[in-house]
Amino acid sequence: QQQVKQSPQSLIVQKGGISIINCAYENTAFDYFPWYQQFPGKGPALLIAIRPDVSEKKEGRFTISFNKSAKQFSLHIMDSQPGDSATYFCAAGYASSNTGKLIFGQGTTLQVKP
Amino acid sequence: DAGVIQSPRHEVTEMGQEVTLRCKPISGHDYLFWYRQTMMRGLELLIYFNNNVPIDDSGMPEDRFSAKMPNASFSTLKIQPSEPRDSAVYFCASSRLVRFGHHGYTFGSGTRLTVV
Repeated sequence: QQQVKQSPQSLIVQKGGISIINCAYENTAFDYFPWYQQFPGKGPALLIAIRPDVSEKKEGRFTISFNKSAKQFSLHIMDSQPGDSATYFCAAGYASSNTGKLIFGQGTTLQVKP
Repeated sequence: DAGVIQSPRHEVTEMGQEVTLRCKPISGHDYLFWYRQTMMRGLELLIYFNNNVPIDDSGMPEDRFSAKMPNASFSTLKIQPSEPRDSAVYFCASSRLVRFGHHGYTFGSGTRLTVV
């Protein structure tokens, strides 16, 4: 129930294309869903996050879509650029209970070809 | 702010030796997390602290692993004795409670541990 399942494991997209990464969770108590971006040799960094009271959140070229009934959420990267090549992690946590704990997905390695 | 500082960046040790990883969280952050990253298992939460007190250590793989946070500015993760299967990148992250309880973790750059 604590798991967050992420797909695909790897993704290759042409420059200018749309990158889509999907995540699914089981525990309906999760109420905070962030995405992290990790470049080689660095720690993950917060990219964008959403709470389940909204179905979509957009920040620049990055959009989270959230489907509460299906217990799924996804990251869309519009106009993908070579600089977006990184590993992306979805995560789920308990914002309202303030435990601070995040459960991460397995990660998706994105390669954007010029 | 210098961010979350981890040391060492790389550690190579022989099986059976003691390994100590260090972390300095961001000043003012009241949560500290230790994660382990491997290709097979992704990012696994090992243990986390709130106000220097261990809250959840259910992810610590076995008794060979221990973590301490003697004060708000320092934490250690110790492996004794180390085994080859402990080889991974270990991340420390810190956060603080913000509006609506969102926890924006700040990760350190990690310690790449290789046990031979």
